[in-house]
Amino acid sequence: AQSVTQLGSHVSVSEGALVLLRCNYSSSVPPYLFWYVQYPNQGLQLLLKYTSAATLVKGINGFEAEFKKSETSFHLTKPSAHMSDAAEYFCAVRTHSGAGSYQLTFGKGTKLSVIP
Amino acid sequence: ETGVTQSPTHLIKTRGQQVTLRCSSQSGHNTVSWYQQALGQGPQFIFQYYREEENGRGNFPPRFSGLQFPNYSSELNVNALELDDSALYLCASSLETGTYGYTFGSGTRLTVV
Repeated sequence: AQSVTQLGSHVSVSEGALVLLRCNYSSSVPPYLFWYVQYPNQGLQLLLKYTSAATLVKGINGFEAEFKKSETSFHLTKPSAHMSDAAEYFCAVRTHSGAGSYQLTFGKGTKLSVIP
Repeated sequence: ETGVTQSPTHLIKTRGQQVTLRCSSQSGHNTVSWYQQALGQGPQFIFQYYREEENGRGNFPPRFSGLQFPNYSSELNVNALELDDSALYLCASSLETGTYGYTFGSGTRLTVV
């Protein structure tokens, strides 16, 4: 079964510092991977996705992620954190759910705090 | 292009009651999935509808059921509500297998008392 593991339930960075949120996947087939952001009391917003094209994926709001097959990782980075980046971030893998259908399987999430 | 719209945004129900949540998919999307997000957890897949039929289901009991309509909108019905059903319910729409991504609505916050 395909799954993702997010290391660190809570990450704190200073404003202007590098943001690194870790995600490792487990998959027997080439995975489709996603990062979503969730602000308090809101739904999920897609940051970026990897669908077997370029291994370095650029997303919205200055975020990017690199697919590393040898490390089974898809870590999310941003060079300089802004206060507005404070939110919860979810890594997800597209998983086969039967009869030609697919679902997203999410990690438990990482809450990012940005310190002024 | 319109996004995914869910209604209502919040509701409170009593244990044992039934509830219906609604979702309008993004324009051009023909597949709708529902997820349950308990407090402090990642979303969990409930089921998916394509061409008005359920074609994928997560580990949820039969009292969770749904519908998809010809315009691709969808309903989630939960019978015999339990306290543990309290959660944020998210609807996501996609084009068939989700290769191009899934668009989520803002969710319905259900509280069971």
